[in-house]
Amino acid sequence: DARVTQTPRHKVTEMGQEVTMRCQPILGHNTVFWYRQTMMQGLELLAYFRNRAPLDDSGMPKDRFSAEMPDATLATLKIQPSEPRDSAVYFCASGLNMAGELFFGEGSRLTVL
Amino acid sequence: AQSVTQLDSHVSVSEGTPVLLRCNYSSSYSPSLFWYVQHPNKGLQLLLKYTSAATLVKGINGFEAEFKKSETSFHLTKPSAHMSDAAEYFCVVSAPGKTIFGAGTRLFVKA
Repeated sequence: DARVTQTPRHKVTEMGQEVTMRCQPILGHNTVFWYRQTMMQGLELLAYFRNRAPLDDSGMPKDRFSAEMPDATLATLKIQPSEPRDSAVYFCASGLNMAGELFFGEGSRLTVL
Repeated sequence: AQSVTQLDSHVSVSEGTPVLLRCNYSSSYSPSLFWYVQHPNKGLQLLLKYTSAATLVKGINGFEAEFKKSETSFHLTKPSAHMSDAAEYFCVVSAPGKTIFGAGTRLFVKA
């Protein structure tokens, strides 16, 4: 049963610490998305990749967030330094193309104290 | 340009009664349209999708949606709500290079 895997599922950290979230997309999918979900803002697109190349990261605060795909089986989202306002659930999703169905992971719930 | 509007932030129904979740969209292209469901503490899961084939689309768990180009709508319906349908539902419009999520509609189902 192919699925998108995200780690960690839960993370509690203190302000100023570095946080790295990881995502394993479904094998064969060539598009990967990072979303952030909060009660106030809903779902926000942070960044997406096609064939491991970043296509759009305009939704990401550039000074502290970075997203990479070191290889086709791993996408990472890093926050350094983290701030309380970064507390949210971060979702990774993968798909076969930009306009098709997205397969979501279970999310990484981040709490920054 | 593309946009999607979910007309209700919350919908409450009684178990066994019909469900209607409304979605309007705009798109410069012939869009693909989707409905996703999110249960508490879970990721989003595809319910159904429209990709320019039949205008009435059937999805999982008894849900269906009808694409109405003249009304630019893609409303989600189910004849009879079940308690397990309580969740948040997202309407999504997609065209080459852009995927837009609606703000979501939270469905409450009363016993």
